[in-house]
Amino acid sequence: KAGVTQTPRYLIKTRGQQVTLSCSPISGHRSVSWYQQTPGQGLQFLFEYFSETQRNKGNFPGRFSGRQFSNSRSEMNVSTLELGDSALYLCASSLVGTASYEQYFGPGTRLTVT
Amino acid sequence: LAKTTQPISMDSYEGQEVNITCSHNNIATNDYITWYQQFPSQGPRFIIQGYKTKVTNEVASLFIPADRKSSTLSLPRVSLSDTAVYYCLVVPDSGYSTLTFGKGTMLLVSP
Repeated sequence: KAGVTQTPRYLIKTRGQQVTLSCSPISGHRSVSWYQQTPGQGLQFLFEYFSETQRNKGNFPGRFSGRQFSNSRSEMNVSTLELGDSALYLCASSLVGTASYEQYFGPGTRLTVT
Repeated sequence: LAKTTQPISMDSYEGQEVNITCSHNNIATNDYITWYQQFPSQGPRFIIQGYKTKVTNEVASLFIPADRKSSTLSLPRVSLSDTAVYYCLVVPDSGYSTLTFGKGTMLLVSP
């Protein structure tokens, strides 16, 4: 079974621009979560989607948004990029009905904002 | 959510057993203890989870005392490829997929 895939793997953007990252979960997984990882703040939860609905949201500004499609694929968007948005963005998927502790992470998208 | 405390870093040599202890004094009744492993520039990988006593899988063992205020991840006979950051998480059995990561423990295995 294929793992979680994320595209693109690397991205360089300029301050003020916007960016869209994509995540394809493991087949059959309906929950998709997004995390931001930086050296200073570590791994932080952004939001979680299930059945095209946002179920949980972390403490991030409204510039960070996401959506989930009917095939469970998810995208996250960051508008008006700031230098501090440079990070590794990780997507994770999990099965519905299982305990929430076991999530499968993708390789991440490395975003650099200049 | 229960806060977790674990050592910032640990050093070991190949072939040794490594034990990483995590403190979670405020763990709730329906919380599970979960450990993840992360290599540089990769996403975290689920290692093991438990509720109480001892759990063992092909990768590690997890020891949880009766009061559940701490847990110990045991890695038998580590190799260089076990060099990674190990995260201890307390996860409520709520069905919601939200993981709260702390700083983790950077394990360095030397030859």
